[in-house]
Amino acid sequence: QSVLTQPPSVSGAPGQRVTISCSGGRSDIRAGYDVHWYQLLPGTAPKLLIYGNNNRPSGVPDRFSGSKSGTSASLAITGLQAEDEADYYCQSYDANLSAFVFGTGTKVTVL
Amino acid sequence: QVRLQESGPGLVKPSETLSLTCTVSGGSISTHYWTWIRQPPGKGLEWIGYIHSSGSTNYNPSLKSRVTISLDTSKNQFSLRLTSVTAADTAVYYCARLTGDSYYYYYYAMDVWGQGTTVTVSS
Repeated sequence: QSVLTQPPSVSGAPGQRVTISCSGGRSDIRAGYDVHWYQLLPGTAPKLLIYGNNNRPSGVPDRFSGSKSGTSASLAITGLQAEDEADYYCQSYDANLSAFVFGTGTKVTVL
Repeated sequence: QVRLQESGPGLVKPSETLSLTCTVSGGSISTHYWTWIRQPPGKGLEWIGYIHSSGSTNYNPSLKSRVTISLDTSKNQFSLRLTSVTAADTAVYYCARLTGDSYYYYYYAMDVWGQGTTVTVSS
């Protein structure tokens, strides 16, 4: 039921910068609902990385940053590290569906 | 530090009811919104529904006819009940806390998650 579109995968060498896009529509991101980002590692609890489009919870490194414009949002990881290899999901709210919605997910590979 | 832990059967037969419990430790369940999310094998995350500490609920329209989320404040737990399950309900099920600064819940993020529990629907 994903209504937010993300690239299936992105990759980068250690130290590089990668970005993950999250594309929505008029009833979710463009309607003004906040975008949040999560990191999923196998066997561990998913972790909130960015909330309210561009805010980092305490303990999240400042290598992670978020932005939002129009019908899309982005997560940037600078200074890529091996431990950043994980799946990343954006999340927002869809007024037409009256439901929280997630992106399709992006696998980040550190080369 | 708030922690969440899912528990329940790992195997459910088709047409039967899936029941899971999320135990909250390190904080009271009598505040915040509490939610369930699932991830089928090889697929993305899907929001199932939430319950507020007041007892009000809201469910994903795609699952609404089969889902019930309830609260047990005496045990600091909330539960998920999904009826008439099929193989399509096989997934890792997560519980999480919804939180935010806004008056409106639809701006909220899921800031604390459980590790997830795998549920397989099979005879």
